[in-house]
Formats: sequence, structure tokens, C-alpha cells
Amino acid sequence: SQQGEEDPQALSIQEGENATMNCSYKTSINNLQWYRQNSGRGLVHLILIRSNEREKHSGRLRVTLDTSKKSSSLLITASRAADTASYFCATAISYNTDKLIFGTGTRLQVFP
Amino acid sequence: GAVVSQHPSWVICKSGTSVKIECRSLDFQATTMFWYRQFPKQSLMLMATSNEGSKATYEQGVEKDKFLINHASLTLSTLTVTSAHPEDSSFYICSVKDWSSYNEQFFGPGTRLTVL
Repeated sequence: SQQGEEDPQALSIQEGENATMNCSYKTSINNLQWYRQNSGRGLVHLILIRSNEREKHSGRLRVTLDTSKKSSSLLITASRAADTASYFCATAISYNTDKLIFGTGTRLQVFP
Repeated sequence: GAVVSQHPSWVICKSGTSVKIECRSLDFQATTMFWYRQFPKQSLMLMATSNEGSKATYEQGVEKDKFLINHASLTLSTLTVTSAHPEDSSFYICSVKDWSSYNEQFFGPGTRLTVL
């Protein structure tokens, strides 16, 4: 399977703490994206990082990409209860950027 | 970004019946839409790529005769689950690709299918 893997599978933290999620993938990529999914809902795009980028910021989100290790991390700083959701990484492979391959996801629970 | 709707949001049907799910791009003309399936507490798996005016491209292991896709216009793609069985119960999500936003995909809210 080409599916990427994320760890941890589940993460529970207190409000105000930082949350870090990791994603590993298997193929050469054009870009890597992070999405959030609230329970039983669709996905919301958070951030996209291209294969020639190493780090990207968006508000409280920080994403890193290490193509040599085929891995990425998503850091959410100063977490809030509203950040409770599942987070998925998705890779667009080099030769077919139409197709997104999703990771297994991390379920984040932020306690108030 | 593109706004995507799905209808219905949930459906319960009897085994053996067919169910049609609609995916609409409300403010964007989408030549390409994607259909995903998500089982409980699992990730999204791409089922097929829907191309306006042509046949859909199915992923390996997805039966094209069971999951019929029609992308008749630039704003509407439909997925019909034919002769549904309990194992088809899942969350079905569509997405559109906004070419102006590089590779970002915009997802619909999903359709929960339960087959009794």
C-alpha cells in the first residue's frame, strides 16, 4: 500500500500545550498537505508544503518537510479545545499531482 | 476556495438497493472531482477520479460496475452505489481540485451511507 503513516494515532493534551504530529510517506512527492477533519465531517485544508520547501508557517501551525527521510511534522502551538479533530497528511506524488494519498491520521483531543 | 456540497448528508437503505450521492461544486467549474471512502476511524481512500465528459478512472480494487460515477457537468458529479450491501456502509466524500490554488483540494461535507 502507498498509504502514509502518521504517529501518534491518538494524542491527548491540555489547552495551551503544543501538539506535534508526524507523517511518513513512501514515494517521491510533489507536495505534502495537511487536513483537519472534525468528527463525521468533511476535510478542511490547513497547509501545503512543496517538495523544495523545508518549513512553512500559518498562524499557530508549523509544518516541516524532510524529503530525505520522507517525513513531515505538523506542530500546533498553544492548542485550544476547538483544535480537537483528526489530522491527516496527504501527499501528491510527483508524476500525478492530481492524486492525493492520505496518511492514517492522528486523533487529537484537547482538554479545556 | 471552492465550496463543495454533497447530498444527501446521510442515507439508510436496504441491502440490494441502489443509492445515488451527488457532489456539487457551488462556485467553481470543476473538470475533475474525486470520490473517497472512509471507514470508521480510518483514513480516506481514493476510489475514483471523475472527469467531466469522460469516463471515470477507478483505483485498483474498486469495482466500476458497483460504483457508477457520472460527471455530466462542470458542477455535478454523482456516485451511485449499486446493489448495496452492508459492507458498503461507509462515509463517502467528494472533492474538487482548484487549479488556481496549486494542488489544494476542497472537500464536501461527506455522505454517511448505512446499508441494513
